[in-house]
Amino acid sequence: DSGVTQTPKHLITATGQRVTLRCSPRSGDLSVYWYQQSLDQGLQFLIQYYNGEERAKGNILERFSAQQFPDLHSELNLSSLELGDSALYFCASSAGQGNNYGYTFGSGTRLTVV
Amino acid sequence: GNSVTQMEGPVTLSEEAFLTINCTYTATGYPSLFWYVQYPGEGLQLLLKATKADDKGSNKGFEATYRKETTSFHLEKGSVQVSDSAVYFCALSDNSGAGSYQLTFGKGTKLSVIP
Repeated sequence: DSGVTQTPKHLITATGQRVTLRCSPRSGDLSVYWYQQSLDQGLQFLIQYYNGEERAKGNILERFSAQQFPDLHSELNLSSLELGDSALYFCASSAGQGNNYGYTFGSGTRLTVV
Repeated sequence: GNSVTQMEGPVTLSEEAFLTINCTYTATGYPSLFWYVQYPGEGLQLLLKATKADDKGSNKGFEATYRKETTSFHLEKGSVQVSDSAVYFCALSDNSGAGSYQLTFGKGTKLSVIP
Protein backbone atom coordinates (compact mmCIF):
# COMPACT_ATOMS: atom_id res chain seq x y z
CA ASP A 1 0.00 0.00 0.00
CA SER A 2 1.54 3.26 -1.19
CA GLY A 3 -0.58 5.42 1.11
CA VAL A 4 -2.36 7.08 -1.83
CA THR A 5 -5.90 5.76 -2.18
CA GLN A 6 -7.88 5.98 -5.37
CA THR A 7 -11.51 4.98 -5.79
CA PRO A 8 -13.10 3.34 -7.59
CA LYS A 9 -10.58 0.89 -9.04
CA HIS A 10 -12.71 0.19 -12.08
CA LEU A 11 -15.45 2.18 -13.73
CA ILE A 12 -17.52 1.31 -16.79
CA THR A 13 -19.85 3.95 -18.15
CA ALA A 14 -21.55 5.00 -21.36
CA THR A 15 -20.64 7.80 -23.73
CA GLY A 16 -22.06 11.15 -22.74
CA GLN A 17 -22.06 10.35 -19.04
CA ARG A 18 -20.21 12.05 -16.17
CA VAL A 19 -18.01 10.36 -13.58
CA THR A 20 -16.04 11.40 -10.53
CA LEU A 21 -12.73 9.86 -9.56
CA ARG A 22 -11.46 10.27 -6.03
CA CYS A 23 -7.96 10.45 -4.61
CA SER A 24 -6.83 10.58 -0.98
CA PRO A 25 -3.19 11.63 -0.76
CA ARG A 26 -0.60 10.17 1.57
CA SER A 27 -0.95 11.56 5.07
CA GLY A 28 0.70 14.97 5.28
CA ASP A 29 1.15 15.45 1.54
CA LEU A 30 -0.16 18.78 0.29
CA SER A 31 0.24 18.33 -3.48
CA VAL A 32 -1.96 16.15 -5.65
CA TYR A 33 -1.22 15.49 -9.31
CA TRP A 34 -3.54 13.78 -11.79
CA TYR A 35 -2.24 11.78 -14.76
CA GLN A 36 -3.92 9.95 -17.60
CA GLN A 37 -2.33 6.79 -18.99
CA SER A 38 -3.49 5.58 -22.39
CA LEU A 39 -1.91 3.24 -24.91
CA ASP A 40 -1.46 5.89 -27.59
CA GLN A 41 -0.54 8.94 -25.46
CA GLY A 42 1.38 7.31 -22.63
CA LEU A 43 1.36 9.10 -19.27
CA GLN A 44 0.07 12.64 -19.57
CA PHE A 45 -0.06 15.23 -16.80
CA LEU A 46 -3.54 16.66 -16.34
CA ILE A 47 -3.59 19.00 -13.36
CA GLN A 48 -1.97 19.75 -10.00
CA TYR A 49 -3.37 21.10 -6.74
CA TYR A 50 -1.37 22.30 -3.78
CA ASN A 51 -3.12 22.80 -0.44
CA GLY A 52 -6.47 23.41 -2.08
CA GLU A 53 -5.31 25.67 -4.90
CA GLU A 54 -4.79 24.83 -8.53
CA ARG A 55 -1.09 25.15 -9.39
CA ALA A 56 -0.62 23.85 -12.90
CA LYS A 57 -2.58 22.54 -15.83
CA GLY A 58 -1.35 20.14 -18.42
CA ASN A 59 -3.19 18.42 -21.24
CA ILE A 60 -6.56 18.55 -19.53
CA LEU A 61 -9.66 18.78 -21.67
CA GLU A 62 -12.29 21.42 -20.96
CA ARG A 63 -14.75 18.59 -20.26
CA PHE A 64 -12.56 17.61 -17.30
CA SER A 65 -12.26 19.47 -14.03
CA ALA A 66 -10.81 18.83 -10.62
CA GLN A 67 -10.71 20.22 -7.12
CA GLN A 68 -8.93 19.65 -3.85
CA PHE A 69 -10.93 19.83 -0.66
CA PRO A 70 -9.93 21.17 2.79
CA ASP A 71 -9.11 17.64 3.96
CA LEU A 72 -6.72 17.49 0.95
CA HIS A 73 -8.50 14.75 -0.92
CA SER A 74 -9.04 15.49 -4.58
CA GLU A 75 -11.69 14.65 -7.15
CA LEU A 76 -11.37 14.53 -10.92
CA ASN A 77 -14.64 15.08 -12.77
CA LEU A 78 -14.97 13.83 -16.32
CA SER A 79 -18.07 14.82 -18.27
CA SER A 80 -19.57 14.24 -21.72
CA LEU A 81 -17.47 11.14 -21.87
CA GLU A 82 -16.18 9.85 -25.18
CA LEU A 83 -14.75 6.47 -26.14
CA GLY A 84 -11.29 8.05 -26.29
CA ASP A 85 -11.45 8.94 -22.61
CA SER A 86 -11.03 5.27 -21.74
CA ALA A 87 -7.75 5.12 -19.84
CA LEU A 88 -6.08 4.59 -16.51
CA TYR A 89 -6.22 7.68 -14.32
CA PHE A 90 -3.56 7.99 -11.66
CA CYS A 91 -3.13 10.45 -8.90
CA ALA A 92 0.15 11.09 -7.13
CA SER A 93 0.85 13.02 -3.99
CA SER A 94 3.89 14.89 -2.78
CA ALA A 95 4.80 16.62 0.44
CA GLY A 96 5.75 19.86 -1.27
CA GLN A 97 6.44 21.26 -4.68
CA GLY A 98 10.16 21.12 -5.18
CA ASN A 99 12.27 18.70 -7.16
CA ASN A 100 13.53 16.97 -4.05
CA TYR A 101 10.13 15.81 -2.88
CA GLY A 102 9.13 12.32 -3.82
CA TYR A 103 5.95 11.49 -5.66
CA THR A 104 3.80 8.60 -4.45
CA PHE A 105 1.32 7.13 -6.89
CA GLY A 106 -1.99 5.46 -6.24
CA SER A 107 -2.96 2.24 -7.99
CA GLY A 108 -5.20 4.07 -10.43
CA THR A 109 -8.78 4.05 -11.66
CA ARG A 110 -9.41 2.18 -14.88
CA LEU A 111 -12.16 3.97 -16.81
CA THR A 112 -13.88 2.20 -19.67
CA VAL A 113 -16.31 4.19 -21.79
CA VAL A 114 -18.64 2.06 -23.90
CA GLY B 1 9.11 22.32 -23.39
CA ASN B 2 10.33 19.33 -21.44
CA SER B 3 10.47 15.89 -23.00
CA VAL B 4 11.80 12.41 -22.28
CA THR B 5 12.78 9.86 -24.88
CA GLN B 6 13.40 6.27 -23.93
CA MET B 7 14.16 3.22 -25.99
CA GLU B 8 11.21 1.44 -27.51
CA GLY B 9 10.35 -1.98 -26.24
CA PRO B 10 9.57 -4.62 -25.70
CA VAL B 11 12.86 -5.91 -24.39
CA THR B 12 13.21 -9.63 -23.76
CA LEU B 13 16.16 -10.95 -21.78
CA SER B 14 17.20 -14.22 -20.25
CA GLU B 15 17.59 -14.42 -16.51
CA GLU B 16 20.96 -13.08 -15.29
CA ALA B 17 21.51 -11.04 -18.44
CA PHE B 18 22.69 -7.42 -18.33
CA LEU B 19 20.03 -4.75 -18.77
CA THR B 20 20.32 -1.28 -20.24
CA ILE B 21 17.35 0.95 -21.00
CA ASN B 22 18.36 4.22 -22.62
CA CYS B 23 16.78 7.51 -21.61
CA THR B 24 17.53 11.02 -22.82
CA TYR B 25 15.80 14.22 -21.88
CA THR B 26 15.23 17.82 -22.88
CA ALA B 27 14.56 20.37 -20.18
CA THR B 28 14.72 24.12 -19.86
CA GLY B 29 15.93 24.19 -16.27
CA TYR B 30 17.74 21.85 -13.89
CA PRO B 31 15.51 18.82 -13.62
CA SER B 32 15.47 15.94 -11.24
CA LEU B 33 15.41 12.57 -12.99
CA PHE B 34 13.53 9.43 -12.05
CA TRP B 35 12.94 5.85 -13.02
CA TYR B 36 9.53 4.42 -12.18
CA VAL B 37 8.43 0.80 -12.52
CA GLN B 38 4.91 -0.44 -13.18
CA TYR B 39 4.06 -4.08 -12.53
CA PRO B 40 1.00 -5.54 -14.24
CA GLY B 41 -2.22 -4.16 -12.82
CA GLU B 42 -0.46 -1.83 -10.41
CA GLY B 43 0.45 1.82 -10.11
CA LEU B 44 3.85 3.36 -10.58
CA GLN B 45 6.54 2.81 -8.00
CA LEU B 46 9.62 4.94 -7.69
CA LEU B 47 12.67 2.84 -8.51
CA LEU B 48 15.42 5.44 -8.17
CA LYS B 49 16.12 9.12 -8.62
CA ALA B 50 18.91 11.66 -9.05
CA THR B 51 18.55 15.35 -8.37
CA LYS B 52 21.72 16.86 -9.83
CA ALA B 53 24.41 16.23 -12.40
CA ASP B 54 26.70 13.25 -11.78
CA ASP B 55 24.44 11.87 -9.06
CA LYS B 56 23.93 8.12 -9.22
CA GLY B 57 20.59 6.72 -8.15
CA SER B 58 20.46 3.08 -7.13
CA ASN B 59 17.95 0.61 -5.74
CA LYS B 60 17.41 -3.17 -5.86
CA GLY B 61 20.47 -3.64 -8.07
CA PHE B 62 19.36 -1.00 -10.59
CA GLU B 63 21.51 2.06 -11.22
CA ALA B 64 21.32 5.23 -13.29
CA THR B 65 23.69 8.19 -13.49
CA TYR B 66 22.57 11.75 -14.24
CA ARG B 67 24.72 12.86 -17.19
CA LYS B 68 24.17 16.53 -17.92
CA GLU B 69 26.65 16.64 -20.80
CA THR B 70 24.76 13.97 -22.73
CA THR B 71 21.34 14.75 -21.16
CA SER B 72 20.94 11.09 -20.34
CA PHE B 73 19.82 8.88 -17.45
CA HIS B 74 20.24 5.30 -18.64
CA LEU B 75 18.97 2.48 -16.43
CA GLU B 76 21.24 -0.53 -15.87
CA LYS B 77 21.18 -3.77 -13.93
CA GLY B 78 23.92 -6.34 -13.95
CA SER B 79 21.80 -9.46 -13.62
CA VAL B 80 18.05 -9.38 -14.20
CA GLN B 81 15.55 -11.73 -12.59
CA VAL B 82 12.15 -12.94 -13.73
CA SER B 83 10.63 -10.74 -11.02
CA ASP B 84 12.03 -7.65 -12.80
CA SER B 85 9.53 -8.12 -15.63
CA ALA B 86 7.56 -4.87 -15.75
CA VAL B 87 7.24 -1.59 -17.61
CA TYR B 88 9.93 0.97 -16.83
CA PHE B 89 9.36 4.71 -17.18
CA CYS B 90 11.99 7.41 -17.27
CA ALA B 91 10.73 10.78 -16.03
CA LEU B 92 11.88 14.27 -15.18
CA SER B 93 10.63 16.92 -12.83
CA ASP B 94 11.36 20.54 -13.54
CA ASN B 95 10.04 23.90 -12.45
CA SER B 96 7.35 24.63 -14.99
CA GLY B 97 6.42 27.91 -13.39
CA ALA B 98 4.13 28.86 -10.49
CA GLY B 99 6.10 26.43 -8.35
CA SER B 100 4.77 23.34 -10.07
CA TYR B 101 7.03 20.34 -10.59
CA GLN B 102 4.91 17.85 -12.46
CA LEU B 103 6.54 14.79 -13.93
CA THR B 104 7.14 14.42 -17.65
CA PHE B 105 7.32 10.75 -18.62
CA GLY B 106 8.84 8.76 -21.42
CA LYS B 107 6.59 6.27 -23.20
CA GLY B 108 7.79 3.32 -21.16
CA THR B 109 9.80 0.22 -21.96
CA LYS B 110 8.32 -3.19 -21.34
CA LEU B 111 10.85 -5.69 -20.02
CA SER B 112 10.23 -9.42 -20.07
CA VAL B 113 12.74 -11.72 -18.37
CA ILE B 114 12.55 -15.40 -19.25
CA PRO B 115 13.97 -18.20 -17.10
